[in-house]
Amino acid sequence: AQTVTQSQPEMSVQEAETVTLSCTYDTSESDYYLFWYKQPPSRQMILVIRQEAYKQQNATENRFSVNFQKAAKSFSLKISDSQLGDAAMYFCAYRRSPIIQGAQKLVFGQGTRLTINP
Amino acid sequence: KAGVTQTPRYLIKTRGQQVTLSCSPISGHRSVSWYQQTPGQGLQFLFEYFSETQRNKGNFPGRFSGRQFSNSRSEMNVSTLELGDSALYLCASSLQVGGTGELFFGEGSRLTVL
Repeated sequence: AQTVTQSQPEMSVQEAETVTLSCTYDTSESDYYLFWYKQPPSRQMILVIRQEAYKQQNATENRFSVNFQKAAKSFSLKISDSQLGDAAMYFCAYRRSPIIQGAQKLVFGQGTRLTINP
Repeated sequence: KAGVTQTPRYLIKTRGQQVTLSCSPISGHRSVSWYQQTPGQGLQFLFEYFSETQRNKGNFPGRFSGRQFSNSRSEMNVSTLELGDSALYLCASSLQVGGTGELFFGEGSRLTVL
């Protein structure tokens, strides 16, 4: 079974600084997807960024980027120019691939609570 | 376009009762999955439905069940409630087949069992 581990229960960063959240996973599969989801205090989970395992290039979405190390099974999230609105729980998640009908189960890490200090 | 809608948002039940939670997916989304979120266990997969059929089930007792209707709306039911069932129940919907199948989450239903 696949597992996802986030070793940092809490992180804090000064506004405008850069912070990196760590995630490791365990799988015997070679093709899969990795995600970072953000859950603000309002509770609605929002996708931050996704990475397909077959792609060597690290995904980037504006101030958010990942460092995907497939051999090490590591998938860290870097947030640049941190903003107060980035404060939230961040979850790393794994999903099998290829996409088949119904196989949309996400395996989540325990989450990292990110605090932004003004 | 409306997002994923979950009702009720909050509810309080007592041990032994049963509860039904509802989820309306984004229009056009045919896959619906459910997750339980607790401080101790984190986010755990409950089940997934597509075309009114359960396609995948997590490791939960038979007290947890669900269904999906022809309009893709889904309900989950928990019978004989236990204190440990207190949790935030999240529903997610997605397009099916192809693409990366991003999951869109609702705001959740907060269940408290007394």
